[in-house]
This record gives sequence, C-alpha cells and structure tokens, in this order.
Amino acid sequence: EPEVTQTPSHQVTQMGQEVILRCVPISNHLYFYWYRQILGQKVEFLVSFYNNEISEKSEIFDDQFSVERPDGSNFTLKIRSTKLEDSAMYFCASKDLGDTQYFGPGTRLTVL
Amino acid sequence: SQQGEEDPQALSIQEGENATMNCSYKTSINNLQWYRQNSGRGLVHLILIRSNEREKHSGRLRVTLDTSKKSSSLLITASRAADTASYFCATAVYNQGGKLIFGQGTELSVKP
Repeated sequence: EPEVTQTPSHQVTQMGQEVILRCVPISNHLYFYWYRQILGQKVEFLVSFYNNEISEKSEIFDDQFSVERPDGSNFTLKIRSTKLEDSAMYFCASKDLGDTQYFGPGTRLTVL
Repeated sequence: SQQGEEDPQALSIQEGENATMNCSYKTSINNLQWYRQNSGRGLVHLILIRSNEREKHSGRLRVTLDTSKKSSSLLITASRAADTASYFCATAVYNQGGKLIFGQGTELSVKP
C-alpha cells in the first residue's frame, strides 16, 4: 500500500540554524500539507500546497517557514532560523481529489 | 471551546470492553475524520464520515455524527490491548483547502 514517507525521522539542530524537512507524498496525490505537534499538544495545521503554490497557511507559518516541491516527488518544509519553540513533531500529509489525508510518520525536530 | 474537542481526555478500560470517545466542534464541516496515534508515532487514518452521513462502520469501529449538536462519537467494540493509543478527531471545513483542524485527543489505555 502506498504511503507518505518523511526524512529524517529525528533532526537535532542548534537555535538559529536552518533545517529542511523532507517528505515524499503518495504518488499521484495533488494536495500536500504540513502539520506540527508540540509534545503533549494537539496537531496544528501549518500550510497546504496545491498546484505548485501555497493555498492556505496558518498564523504559525510566518516568514521563517517556506515550502517547496522541487521535483515531481519531494515536498519540503524549510525553517530558516530555528527557535527553541520550533521543537515539535512535524507531519507531512497528502491527498488526492478525495477527502482522506494520509500522514507520514513524522520528523521529530529538537532545537537546542 | 475550540473546534474539535474530545472527551474524555483519558480513558482506561479492560480488554474486551467497549470504548467510546466523543468529539465536539463549532463550525459547519465538510467531513470529520478520526485518527489514531501510537505514542510518539505517526497518525493513522481510521474512518471518515461526511456531513450528510449519520453513522458509519468499519470493522470494530462505529462512528456517529450529529450535525445539529456538532458532535461525533467513536466507538471501539471488543477492545484489545493493541488499541492503546491516542485518538483524535479532525474536521475539514468547506472552502478551506482541505486543512484539518484537530482536537486535543483522547488517550485510551486498554489493560489486558
């Protein structure tokens, strides 16, 4: 069964450093999403992406964040200058024209 | 209250018992989805119910939706120790690009 994959599974970085989280959505899916989950809290929407552009973003998704689909398979989330409060689990999700979103296993980002 | 709030926050039952989790939301929705998350892991899609549906079954899962009360319930019958996880409801709203708004989740513990 096709699945969303994410790399790395765990990323440790120093405050102020740039990180790129990578996702490979399910092939032929059209809509892509990033969510995050701070430890012990609920999952929060960050951004949605369709037709090579951002379709919606949350208040969390400020100028420090960017997304890109550099080729036909990868979908990346970049944080330019990480802060301590960016420490969280980041989930990528994708869907086709249907309603069900399929989530990846997540990348645990730890900012020191 | 926030969109997508579950209760109870935590539920502990014996194997073989049924587990019922509730979710309430505030705005009109397109659909409501339930996800499971094992500790520190990814989100697994369980079931989706559309706004024009009242009940749906999938294996040992039964979901109901009451749009007049803006609430949903997830019933897991004949629970197993392997059902131990956190369960989240997530709502999708019309004209919002398919983003999901998650609740705080119910932490289910099934004791053997």
